[in-house]
Amino acid sequence: KQEVTQIPAALSVPEGENLVLNCSFTDSAIYNLQWFRQDPGKGLTSLLLIQSSQREQTSGRLNASLDKSSGRSTLYIAASQPGDSATYLCAVDDYKLSFGAGTTVTVRA
Amino acid sequence: ETGVTQSPTHLIKTRGQQVTLRCSSQSGHNTVSWYQQALGQGPQFIFQYYREEENGRGNFPPRFSGLQFPNYSSELNVNALELDDSALYLCASSLAMGDTEAFFGQGTRLTVV
Repeated sequence: KQEVTQIPAALSVPEGENLVLNCSFTDSAIYNLQWFRQDPGKGLTSLLLIQSSQREQTSGRLNASLDKSSGRSTLYIAASQPGDSATYLCAVDDYKLSFGAGTTVTVRA
Repeated sequence: ETGVTQSPTHLIKTRGQQVTLRCSSQSGHNTVSWYQQALGQGPQFIFQYYREEENGRGNFPPRFSGLQFPNYSSELNVNALELDDSALYLCASSLAMGDTEAFFGQGTRLTVV
């Protein structure tokens, strides 16, 4: 059974600081890994999709890496802004998505 | 805007009742999955439909059932509601099973009293 863990559970940083969010998973037989953003009480917004054959993916200030052999992914958010405050979820796809519990980020102005 | 819409956005039901939640997927997306998200937790996989057939199910009892229709819409039905069924229910659509990006709707918040 796939287990996904996200550390830390919560993070508070001043505006402008870089964010590092970690995700680990137990079974490396995955198709891909997705990072999502979730605002309170809302649905999930896809941020990045990393195919299992890729090592990283970038979109604007976001960069995600994937090390399938060690079961780890890291999401980097450069130069954080108050609008980045949200919960960030990683999910591994082995035909269904298995999610971590998320990291709740607060960026202080 | 993901192109995935869910209805209703909020719902209050009484324990023991039945509920139907609806999802409209992106056109051309043959796969729809449903997830339950309790407060403070990550979404949990309920089941997945591909071309109107269920092809995978998570650890949920049979009172959770679903349907997928040819027009890219789908339903989640829950019978004999329990207090613990209170959660945000999310549907996700994708082009195929596995290895493709999943797009989520805004969710339906179900409260069972």
